[in-house]
Amino acid sequence: EAQVTQNPRYLITVTGKKLTVTCSQNMNHEYMSWYRQDPGLGLRQIYYSMNVEVTDKGDVPEGYKVSRKEKRNFPLILESPSPNQTSLYFCASSSSGRKPGELFFGEGSRLTVL
Amino acid sequence: DAKTTQPTSMDCAEGRAANLPCNHSTISGNEYVYWYRQIHSQGPQYIIHGLKNNETNEMASLIITEDRKSSTLILPHATLRDTAVYYCIVRVVGRDDKIIFGKGTRLHILP
Repeated sequence: EAQVTQNPRYLITVTGKKLTVTCSQNMNHEYMSWYRQDPGLGLRQIYYSMNVEVTDKGDVPEGYKVSRKEKRNFPLILESPSPNQTSLYFCASSSSGRKPGELFFGEGSRLTVL
Repeated sequence: DAKTTQPTSMDCAEGRAANLPCNHSTISGNEYVYWYRQIHSQGPQYIIHGLKNNETNEMASLIITEDRKSSTLILPHATLRDTAVYYCIVRVVGRDDKIIFGKGTRLHILP
């Protein structure tokens, strides 16, 4: 089954404790992206990746890092989480190229930073 | 800033057609129009997309104006399960693939 898998789905952590949210897709997609969703603000893009070893900032990259060492994985790293990073996070992937494909989203990761 | 403009919310009676508008007046020639919906806090779900021709699939129809500056998503026979937030986005082809979602339209289907 084609899917985007995020882990963990729920996490409560404390300020300053490094954490990683993993994202994996099994569709051989070139494009992957991270979004955060907060009440009243819609979906905001954090980082995206057009392919392996290629990453770019989205609209809200501050406080986050990403890496794309393999095509299937695109982890989101919070080196020193702060309470304002409490949010619902979504990973997405799609095919790139001349005819862009649809975005497939993961189920979301709800992060609370105390 | 979002490259699309949508009404904040809309109501539609169950069984009627729901017509959701989207303005994308600055769309460029290589950008597709995509529609997604998000039910509660689930991951957004793809509905339909198009470049310049009208499109139809089993979920909905997409009508794009001739100048491509606006589009309408049509859910032909809305049901209560169609209550969701609907996002209209435009996606650039090529290297710059920053995809901006905006706040979408909250559609309420009324029984």
